[in-house]
Amino acid sequence: DAMVIQNPRYQVTQFGKPVTLSCSQTLNHNVMYWYQQKSSQAPKLLFHYYDKDFNNEADTPDNFQSRRPNTSFCFLDIRSPGLGDAAMYLCATSRDNLGGQGRSQPQHFGDGTRLSIL
Amino acid sequence: AQSVTQLGSHVSVSEGALVLLRCNYSSSVPPYLFWYVQYPNQGLQLLLKYTTGATLVKGINGFEAEFKKSETSFHLTKPSAHMSDAAEYFCAVSYSGSARQLTFGSGTQLTVLP
Repeated sequence: DAMVIQNPRYQVTQFGKPVTLSCSQTLNHNVMYWYQQKSSQAPKLLFHYYDKDFNNEADTPDNFQSRRPNTSFCFLDIRSPGLGDAAMYLCATSRDNLGGQGRSQPQHFGDGTRLSIL
Repeated sequence: AQSVTQLGSHVSVSEGALVLLRCNYSSSVPPYLFWYVQYPNQGLQLLLKYTTGATLVKGINGFEAEFKKSETSFHLTKPSAHMSDAAEYFCAVSYSGSARQLTFGSGTQLTVLP
């Protein structure tokens, strides 16, 4: 089945120690997203890639970076994790294009990576 | 700016009872509407979506939602709750039709009582 896969499911890191979360997809979608979700809250969009174009949300801290080396993979880098960065991180994908063929297409989510900070 | 409001952050129903989760949106243009479900320690799964056409939309797991333009609502219902329906439910809206411009509601935690 085509899907969005996040690894690892659980990640523990130390305060200030860089950490990378990964996401891969077999849907061949051109858009990939990273969300942060804290307990009992809605997902908060951090940034997304539209093809190779990186789109950062205005309130995303500089501590969060992303890389998309190819269509299938996307990484979330947290340069110096703080205690407040402990959360579930969700990757999602969608098919979208300026021609309108992406209209009304939903986002497809992975199962997330739960990040803990010691 | 687009927005969506979910009334009731927590809803409890008895097993076998009707499930009603409320969602209202603000709009001056036709919206595209979605309901997602999130089980503990999992990602979001699409339940159903409204784009155009029939206003009553059927989704997975016996859920359905009705788009009511006059009420700017898109409430989610299920005739008979099952224990496995216990989860967090998110309503989401896009006004452009682009998945890149998706706004989520704050979510409703559904508890199903035996």
